[in-house]
Amino acid sequence: DAKTTQPPSMDCAEGRAANLPCNHSTISGNEYVYWYRQIHSQGPQYIIHGLKNNETNEMASLIITEDRKSSTLILPHATLRDTAVYYCISYTGFQKLVFGTGTRLLVSP
Amino acid sequence: GAVVSQHPSWVICKSGTSVKIECRSLDFQATTMFWYRQFPKQSLMLMATSNEGSKATYEQGVEKDKFLINHASLTLSTLTVTSAHPEDSSFYICSARDASQGETQYFGPGTRLLVL
Repeated sequence: DAKTTQPPSMDCAEGRAANLPCNHSTISGNEYVYWYRQIHSQGPQYIIHGLKNNETNEMASLIITEDRKSSTLILPHATLRDTAVYYCISYTGFQKLVFGTGTRLLVSP
Repeated sequence: GAVVSQHPSWVICKSGTSVKIECRSLDFQATTMFWYRQFPKQSLMLMATSNEGSKATYEQGVEKDKFLINHASLTLSTLTVTSAHPEDSSFYICSARDASQGETQYFGPGTRLLVL
C-alpha cells in the first residue's frame, strides 16, 4: 500500500499557482519525498524530490514541513499541459516505488 | 538528460503469440531497470526489477515464465510476454535508474499491448 495520502482531485485556473498537498506522516528518516506526474496515456514523468530542505527546479518547487510529515508541490504558473495525475511517493533506493492513486489536477482556461 | 525510450509504443497481437518490448536508456547507463503494468483507471504496479547481467526479481503474483525479462546491457532491457492472452492487454511501462547518480527512476513512454 502507498504510504502517502493525497486528495483525489484538484482544480486550478491557468496561470495560477497549483499547490498539491501530500501527507506522509509515517515517513522514515532516510526516505525521500518524490513527485511524479502522469499525463494521460504516457509514462510517469519525474518532477522533483527532496529529503528535508525545500527544493526548486525548472518544473516546480517542493516544500517539506519541518517534521517531514507533509509536503506541498507547487507549480508556480499552471498551464493546460500541466493537467495530469500527480503522485507523491516516499521512497529510498532500497525500496520499490509504490504508486498510490495520486491527485488528478485539472487546469482550466 | 535521463531519457528512456520504449519500442514499440503500441502493439496488437493474436492470442497465443509472444510479444517483445524493448526499453532503452538513451543518455545514461541503467544499472537497474524496472517493469510496471498499468490497467485502465488503475495505478502502476511493479512487475519485476532487473539488474544488468543478473536474473530479474519478480513481484509476487507475476509469472516469471510468462514475462521474460532480459537486461543484457547497461542501456537495454527487454520484456517478452509469452503466449499472450486477452487478459495480458495492458499498458507496460519501464523505468531505469543509474545507482551511481542517485535513486531517481526515469520512466519510458509506455507500450500499449492489445491481445485479440
